[in-house]
Amino acid sequence: GAGVSQSPSNKVTEKGKDVELRCDPISGHTALYWYRQSLGQGLEFLIYFQGNSAPDKSGLPSDRFSAERTGGSVSTLTIQRTQQEDSAVYLCASSTRTGYEQYFGPGTRLTVT
Amino acid sequence: QQQVKQSPQSLIVQKGGISIINCAYENTAFDYFPWYQQFPGKGPALLIAIRPDVSEKKEGRFTISFNKSAKQFSLHIMDSQPGDSATYFCAPRDNYGQNFVFGPGTRLSVLP
Repeated sequence: GAGVSQSPSNKVTEKGKDVELRCDPISGHTALYWYRQSLGQGLEFLIYFQGNSAPDKSGLPSDRFSAERTGGSVSTLTIQRTQQEDSAVYLCASSTRTGYEQYFGPGTRLTVT
Repeated sequence: QQQVKQSPQSLIVQKGGISIINCAYENTAFDYFPWYQQFPGKGPALLIAIRPDVSEKKEGRFTISFNKSAKQFSLHIMDSQPGDSATYFCAPRDNYGQNFVFGPGTRLSVLP
């Protein structure tokens, strides 16, 4: 079946602009995670959605970052007033309710110039 | 953020050799211990995982060894192949917050 998809695959934006990154999880997966991966680094947890529960936003680095999940499916990560340090690959993962095996999308490479 | 440490940072192994990557953690609330494999330009993919009630799990050429008292677990790749060249991450799961804490990664290169 279809895996996790993310769009766009690449995004180049100017400093100060807002960007939206989209994630389509695997159908039926109730858990959805966003991570950030800087070049050659590990994954930094950003936010976690589980069903209709309030999201765990503890990893968001600043109030410029926000995310929503509509209808328990598609999620959008929004970065306002982008900065150069926001340049990274943004990865989305989904899992079943038990939440053990995560399935990752291919990521969105964000470059802020 | 909760600390997860991996060693070595990078590893070079000859084809047919054994690759060993270690992960150390501090949080006793971790309840699931996976290893992820990531190729350039791709998202990570689950390779093998273990629960804390067992000390070892083997799947083909890949083995996880888990030492609960030392708060460490390791990945062993037997008969390493050039196709195993990738970055490997340990990512234990926090039972309380239900999020995963990724280690910094180990870049493995298997020489032909």
